[in-house]
Amino acid sequence: KQEVTQIPAALSVPEGENLVLNCSFTDSAIYNLQWFRQDPGKGLTSLLLIQSSQREQTSGRLNASLDKSSGRSTLYIAASQPGDSATYLCAVTNTYNFNKFYFGSGTKLNVKP
Amino acid sequence: KAGVTQTPRYLIKTRGQQVTLSCSPISGHRSVSWYQQTPGQGLQFLFEYFSETQRNKGNFPGRFSGRQFSNSRSEMNVSTLELGDSALYLCASSLVGENTEAFFGQGTRLTVV
Repeated sequence: KQEVTQIPAALSVPEGENLVLNCSFTDSAIYNLQWFRQDPGKGLTSLLLIQSSQREQTSGRLNASLDKSSGRSTLYIAASQPGDSATYLCAVTNTYNFNKFYFGSGTKLNVKP
Repeated sequence: KAGVTQTPRYLIKTRGQQVTLSCSPISGHRSVSWYQQTPGQGLQFLFEYFSETQRNKGNFPGRFSGRQFSNSRSEMNVSTLELGDSALYLCASSLVGENTEAFFGQGTRLTVV
């Protein structure tokens, strides 16, 4: 069974810092890896999708990388802003079950002004 | 372009009652998935529908059921509600095929008293 772990569980940084969020998964037979953001009490906002054949994706200040062989992904946030404060979730789908996401428990980010 | 719409946003029900939640996917999206989010268990997969057929099901009791209509709108039903069913229920939609991005709605917050 696929298990997804996110470290750290919580992170507090001053505004302007660059930061890295980590995600690891146990089964390397993944189809996709998707990073989401969730604000309190709200739904999930898709940030980046990395297909299994890709190694990284970039959108604005966000860059996500994928290393299937080691079962790891990182989300890099450049020049953090208070508006980036949210919970960040990593989710993977497997090649034998590509319609089902396995989610990590998330990293709660607080960016202090 | 409208996003994924879930109704209602909030519900309060009594133990033993039943409830129906609705999800309208993004236009053109034919795959709809449902997830339950609780503080203790995180995000857990309930089921996925495509072309009115359930393709995948998570490890939830039979009290949880769903269906999809010909216009891709989906409903999920929970019968004989228990206190532990209190959660945020999230719906996701995606295009047909692999390697496509999933988009989530704002969720329905169900409270069972």
